[in-house]
Amino acid sequence: NAGVTQTPKFQVLKTGQSMTLQCAQDMNHEYMSWYRQDPGMGLRLIHYSVGAGITDQGEVPNGYNVSRSTTEDFPLRLLSAAPSQTSVYFCASSPDSFYEQYFGPGTRLTVT
Amino acid sequence: AQSVSQHNHHVILSEAASLELGCNYSYGGTVNLFWYVQYPGQHLQLLLKYFSGDPLVKGIKGFEAEFIKSKFSFNLRKPSVQWSDTAEYFCAVKLVLLGTGFQKLVFGTGTRLLVSP
Repeated sequence: NAGVTQTPKFQVLKTGQSMTLQCAQDMNHEYMSWYRQDPGMGLRLIHYSVGAGITDQGEVPNGYNVSRSTTEDFPLRLLSAAPSQTSVYFCASSPDSFYEQYFGPGTRLTVT
Repeated sequence: AQSVSQHNHHVILSEAASLELGCNYSYGGTVNLFWYVQYPGQHLQLLLKYFSGDPLVKGIKGFEAEFIKSKFSFNLRKPSVQWSDTAEYFCAVKLVLLGTGFQKLVFGTGTRLLVSP
């Protein structure tokens, strides 16, 4: 199994541009989530999904959209990038609420 | 609001020294507790977890943690650190959101450990 994969690994955007961060898992996990990691703030939940077609907001959802059309994929869309969205983004998945989450390698995003 | 506090933001140790990283949480219900490690340039990996049972939990690479319910604490320990333990360590509490059943992880701010050879 490849586990949780994320692309791209690095991205630089200009303010106002849009882009999609990709996340995929091959473990047939129902639960998937997106976190952002900022210095001194730990990881904060952006959006999550409990299965295909079901998503909900986390702590810091503003400026981001998600959709879950398949069990495997959970893309994160930045609608109009802002410098405040400069961060490292991690995708995670888990089989259900009783197991730990498995994290992807992260995407380092810089918005200038 | 639920929160996780890691008191030590930066820790510097020499090889073979003992390690204890503090973690306190504020949540009154049943908790599941985790320690994750992030080595330089890598993604988060699970070190150990506590769900129930023996409050002394052993994880990978010689790490252990003790859940003390009365103190709302879940401190991470290792008797003798190695240079390869240089990493950032995150404590996390799992909360199950009512309705969806989704497990949300609330993370501490992390502790950067530097082990000098």
